[in-house]
Amino acid sequence: NAGVTQTPKFRILKIGQSMTLQCTQDMNHNYMYWYRQDPGMGLKLIYYSVGAGITDKGEVPNGYNVSRSTTEDFPLRLELAAPSQTSVYFCASSYPGQGNTEAFFGQGTRLTVV
Amino acid sequence: DAKTTQPNSMESNEEEPVHLPCNHSTISGTDYIHWYRQLPSQGPEYVIHGLTSNVNNRMASLAIAEDRKSSTLILHRATLRDAAVYYCILRRSSGSARQLTFGSGTQLTVLP
Repeated sequence: NAGVTQTPKFRILKIGQSMTLQCTQDMNHNYMYWYRQDPGMGLKLIYYSVGAGITDKGEVPNGYNVSRSTTEDFPLRLELAAPSQTSVYFCASSYPGQGNTEAFFGQGTRLTVV
Repeated sequence: DAKTTQPNSMESNEEEPVHLPCNHSTISGTDYIHWYRQLPSQGPEYVIHGLTSNVNNRMASLAIAEDRKSSTLILHRATLRDAAVYYCILRRSSGSARQLTFGSGTQLTVLP
């Protein structure tokens, strides 16, 4: 059972380049999330989705875009990368529930923008 | 969103119990209390959750105050592998895709 899979694990980008962080889950979860974690800090929500075709902004969405064409996949797009986007990015998924379901996280993508 | 307050860091000796406190004085009646932990260089992993009653699972126990304004995660016998950042999170029962809002957590150090 793969759970939540993120690719790539590591990436170095130059300022102004673009890239897509991939996230896929095999648990048929409706809810998916993207977080970023800066050194020594907690996770901050970038975007989330409650199902295919539905996405919404989280706490720190600027500089990012997402799409959700299938239940399984929730890619995060960085346009015009900036040094401030150097961070570790985590994707997560869960069943809707009533707040009583657990979320599953991927292993993260460590991104450096130089 | 209701916030949680945790100590920045705690230490424990190996094989001794650990009590990790969390204050959540503005919790609403339908918020679930979740605990996650993050091992070094890994994504967060679920530990336990509860609503009103104390909960036990294979990883830990969760003790919830009667007024629900605080809770304590209990690791019964700390091991070196339990060294991690522990996050106490309130998860809403409706709206906002049941977001998990992370604070800065408690860094647990386990001493051999």
